[in-house]
Amino acid sequence: AQKVTQAQTEISVVEKEDVTLDCVYETRDTTYYLFWYKQPPSGELVFLIRRNSFDEQNEISGRYSWNFQKSTSSFNFTITASQVVDSAVYFCALSEEDNFNKFYFGSGTKLNVKP
Amino acid sequence: EAGVAQSPRYKIIEKRQSVAFWCNPISGHATLYWYQQILGQGPKLLIQFQNNGVVDDSQLPKDRFSAERLKGVDSTLKIQPAKLEDSAVYLCASSLGGSPSTNEKLFFGSGTQLSVL
Repeated sequence: AQKVTQAQTEISVVEKEDVTLDCVYETRDTTYYLFWYKQPPSGELVFLIRRNSFDEQNEISGRYSWNFQKSTSSFNFTITASQVVDSAVYFCALSEEDNFNKFYFGSGTKLNVKP
Repeated sequence: EAGVAQSPRYKIIEKRQSVAFWCNPISGHATLYWYQQILGQGPKLLIQFQNNGVVDDSQLPKDRFSAERLKGVDSTLKIQPAKLEDSAVYLCASSLGGSPSTNEKLFFGSGTQLSVL
């Protein structure tokens, strides 16, 4: 079974629009870690955020915000006032307590921000 | 701080040929990973090293893929013989490999794009 599901394959928005990328995960562990990575056209995945399962506080970093909902097993990512430089593929990932160094990635959401 | 270095950046080979990729992780990172990323998909773990020992190679096609991490630093991934379906980007990543409290995250290289014709 897929541990991380990103149902949105591709999203296109116009600059300055807000956009939310969805991530749903599946795990039986009570302690786990959730991540978002950005993959620009250059190819290198860049770390954006890490959340622990026991910390459900939502986080905001500039134009980026993350909504962690344990009840729905979701960890959604919102970009406010999107910019062309936000165009990339975004991956959600999960690691579990019994092997916290093993990361399960979703299939990614390609975000196109048009000027 | 230097990032994860990978080479070559691109490689084109014919099926049944062999190919090797090289990775030098961030200094001090105990854990090294090789991922395969097929176009339009997320990275799939091929092998995970902790220092120079293999932690997980359950998804490595061992009949054709091999990897080693001599001296627990840099690593090579080899495919022999290559098949058409091996066309993908091969990503190397590293992490500190400590405990969850060390805020583990992956640092990725730029990848090697392999085309098998």
